[in-house]
Amino acid sequence: NAGVMQNPRHLVRRRGQEARLRCSPMKGHSHVYWYRQLPEEGLKFMVYLQKENIIDESGMPKERFSAEFPKEGPSILRIQQVVRGDSAAYFCASSPTPPGIYGYTFGSGTRLTVV
Amino acid sequence: DQQVKQNSPSLSVQEGRISILNCDYTNSMFDYFLWYKKYPAEGPTFLISISSIKDKNEDGRFTVFLNKSAKHLSLHIVPSQPGDSAVYFCAARNTGNQFYFGTGTSLTVIP
Repeated sequence: NAGVMQNPRHLVRRRGQEARLRCSPMKGHSHVYWYRQLPEEGLKFMVYLQKENIIDESGMPKERFSAEFPKEGPSILRIQQVVRGDSAAYFCASSPTPPGIYGYTFGSGTRLTVV
Repeated sequence: DQQVKQNSPSLSVQEGRISILNCDYTNSMFDYFLWYKKYPAEGPTFLISISSIKDKNEDGRFTVFLNKSAKHLSLHIVPSQPGDSAVYFCAARNTGNQFYFGTGTSLTVIP
């Protein structure tokens, strides 16, 4: 029973390029969350999705960032025209229902470096 | 606005002694509180949690205490072991079903 799978583990992009981060939730989990950890900071909520729906995107920057969780396939976090400040670790988490006492299960993260 | 705060970025404890990690929050509507543990280059893993209707939850060497009037949460690890060395994040759930995380406390247990 694989956990939350994120790929790639490391991603290097030049300024102005696009970054696509993928997340396959645990089997049976239909709720997906994306968090970002900037250097020396905690985990910041970005977006909460269920299959084909964005439930809460209050933590997403207004421009350049988008997320989707299609009916088939992984959830995708897309960052267009990346800038140096986008360099961070991006974590995906999933849960079978809205999270309760056991919270989420996190993936190992994608470390994005913008050069 | 940081709704969950961990004011100690780091903590060092001798092996066998007690580790106490603290967390403060501002939103009285939070209903679940969790602690996550994170090793370098890995994702956070769930450690222990507590509902807002309780004031203590214990699981082996780990105990979480909740003081609602003070809006304060703490994690006690006793006895501390070198394998406990990691970053510990406090998290709280709001009615929107997402968790707010603190900035983490890096625990080092000295053998």
